[in-house]
Amino acid sequence: SQKIEQNSEALNIQEGKTATLTCNYTNYSPAYLQWYRQDPGRGPVFLLLIRENEKEKRKERLKVTFDTTLKQSLFHITASQPADSATYLCAPQTGANNLFFGTGTRLTVIP
Amino acid sequence: GAVVSQHPSWVICKSGTSVKIECRSLDFQATTMFWYRQFPKQSLMLMATSNEGSKATYEQGVEKDKFLINHASLTLSTLTVTSAHPEDSSFYICSARQFGTENQPQHFGDGTRLSIL
Repeated sequence: SQKIEQNSEALNIQEGKTATLTCNYTNYSPAYLQWYRQDPGRGPVFLLLIRENEKEKRKERLKVTFDTTLKQSLFHITASQPADSATYLCAPQTGANNLFFGTGTRLTVIP
Repeated sequence: GAVVSQHPSWVICKSGTSVKIECRSLDFQATTMFWYRQFPKQSLMLMATSNEGSKATYEQGVEKDKFLINHASLTLSTLTVTSAHPEDSSFYICSARQFGTENQPQHFGDGTRLSIL
């Protein structure tokens, strides 16, 4: 069966450092992969989408990579700030199918 | 940007009652809406997908007679939890997608926290 795993249920880093979150998937081949941010008691908010033919995507301090050979996506936040503290969810997507979310990584940026 | 509104944001009710949650797309026509459930410290689990004017498609293990979904217009979908019990207590989140945007971000509501006593 399809499986989406995000390593580290929780990740603590010092302010100013780069946070790196990992998303691994098995038993399917997504054409797209999306990353969302979720704050406590709120719905997810879209951050970035990367296609299978793209190696890397950037948006301000965010960077996403997509390695279809390793079946893995990395999500980086550079120059992290306490306001970046949240749960980050990855969602590999096959074509026009529905989104299924990973287990999430709860990031805490320590001042 | 696109906005999805969910109502109510929080509801407490007695066991055995039915609860209706509304999901509205405020500035676009949502041909497809999704309902998710999220338990504490867990990720979102897709419950069902509904297309406007059609019956909802439920994920495996989700009881369609317990979780009634109606998507009668392009801007409104409702989820009714029938005869709710304490184990149905959870955070329910909807999302919406426009036609032709299947590979674009979904827009999520802010969720409804349901507590069954």
